[in-house]
Amino acid sequence: EDQVTQSPEALRLQEGESSSLNCSYTVSGLRGLFWYRQDPGKGPEFLFTLYSAGEEKEKERLKATLTKKESFLHITAPKPEDSATYLCAVPTNVNFGNEKLTFGTGTRLTIIP
Amino acid sequence: DGGITQSPKYLFRKEGQNVTLSCEQNLNHDAMYWYRQDPGQGLRLIYYSQIVNDFQKGDIAEGYSVSREKKESFPLTVTSAQKNPTAFYLCASRGGNFNEQFFGPGTRLTVL
Repeated sequence: EDQVTQSPEALRLQEGESSSLNCSYTVSGLRGLFWYRQDPGKGPEFLFTLYSAGEEKEKERLKATLTKKESFLHITAPKPEDSATYLCAVPTNVNFGNEKLTFGTGTRLTIIP
Repeated sequence: DGGITQSPKYLFRKEGQNVTLSCEQNLNHDAMYWYRQDPGQGLRLIYYSQIVNDFQKGDIAEGYSVSREKKESFPLTVTSAQKNPTAFYLCASRGGNFNEQFFGPGTRLTVL
């Protein structure tokens, strides 16, 4: 069974203090890994897709990387507006080409001014 | 302005009632999904539809029903058979440059 595990569950950082969030996965044949940002009471917002080990993508203060077993979301010099829950997910084929996403439980990031 | 809309934003239901949550998209995506989100748990798939007039059960379909009569619309009915329906419900459609899923703003359902 495909599994996605995120750590830590919650992370509090001072403004400007860089850190990383982890997403480890167990899937049969990785066909991509997605990162989303979710603000309280809102739907997840797409950030990145990574397809192969060694791939990196950046957006403002966020950089996502991928290895064969895990992905990291690095946040550099964060600001209070980066506070959110960050979710990762992997696609799984269910049948006849149908696809679903298996999500981790997320990391709740709080940036303290 | 393309996107996914869900209504209502908040919904209150008495025990024993069926309620229907609306999901509409104008992204011209074929695939649509319904997820449930509970505190401390990841998003769990309720139903999905790859094409009009076809849909499949997800991981937690019991107590829910859907229809897909139009490409743009994928309503979810929470029936009285769902034992613990209080949750945040999210609708998504799949497409885009990376085949990613786009999410609506969600509906928070509370059973009184």
